[in-house]
Amino acid sequence: LAKTTQPISMDSYEGQEVNITCSHNNIATNDYITWYQQFPSQGPRFIIQGYKTKVTNEVASLFIPADRKSSTLSLPRVSLSDTAVYYCLVTVNFGNEKLTFGTGTRLTIIP
Amino acid sequence: DTAVSQTPKYLVTQMGNDKSIKCEQNLGHDTMYWYKQDSKKFLKIMFSYNNKELIINETVPNRFSPKSPDKAHLNLHINSLELGDSAVYFCASSQKLAKNIQYFGAGTRLSVL
Repeated sequence: LAKTTQPISMDSYEGQEVNITCSHNNIATNDYITWYQQFPSQGPRFIIQGYKTKVTNEVASLFIPADRKSSTLSLPRVSLSDTAVYYCLVTVNFGNEKLTFGTGTRLTIIP
Repeated sequence: DTAVSQTPKYLVTQMGNDKSIKCEQNLGHDTMYWYKQDSKKFLKIMFSYNNKELIINETVPNRFSPKSPDKAHLNLHINSLELGDSAVYFCASSQKLAKNIQYFGAGTRLSVL
């Protein structure tokens, strides 16, 4: 079964915009796409959620193409405190629906 | 006030033992979950309960048995612990109609020796 995949790691300098993509080819028709941030020794924390097109809140934007088979989390002007692992969460459908986290992207911000 | 709390935070035990992890949420949510995070940081759902009723039961050995005495609590009991059970276990909760916006506990790091 295809996983919900993300790049393993990314590096960026402070002040840059960072885009992290999640591939979810078999996303369930009626489900939202949700992104989480996880710091070491903590549980994941909700960042943003969307269904289609673009969603923006005070910390991030989420871009979802029309086919919804992928999504991109955009973090504007990152700082050192954004160093964390980022996960997407979707419901995939391979005949029956399953709540699935992406493989996770370790983002490292460089001073 | 901690929204989702798990105890214990660390659990070290021998193979073959039985152990429990407790989880409580004070958010008034209907739905609670257990996840396992392995050494590669992959997060996999194990169970989900809605109002004390089991709604998700992934392919998990039957040595793992969740118990929900009320909708604010979801405990995880593990029998006959094995080396491969070593991981971080996370409890989470959500409103039923917003199941992808989940609030997570800090995790329980289980080490089986």
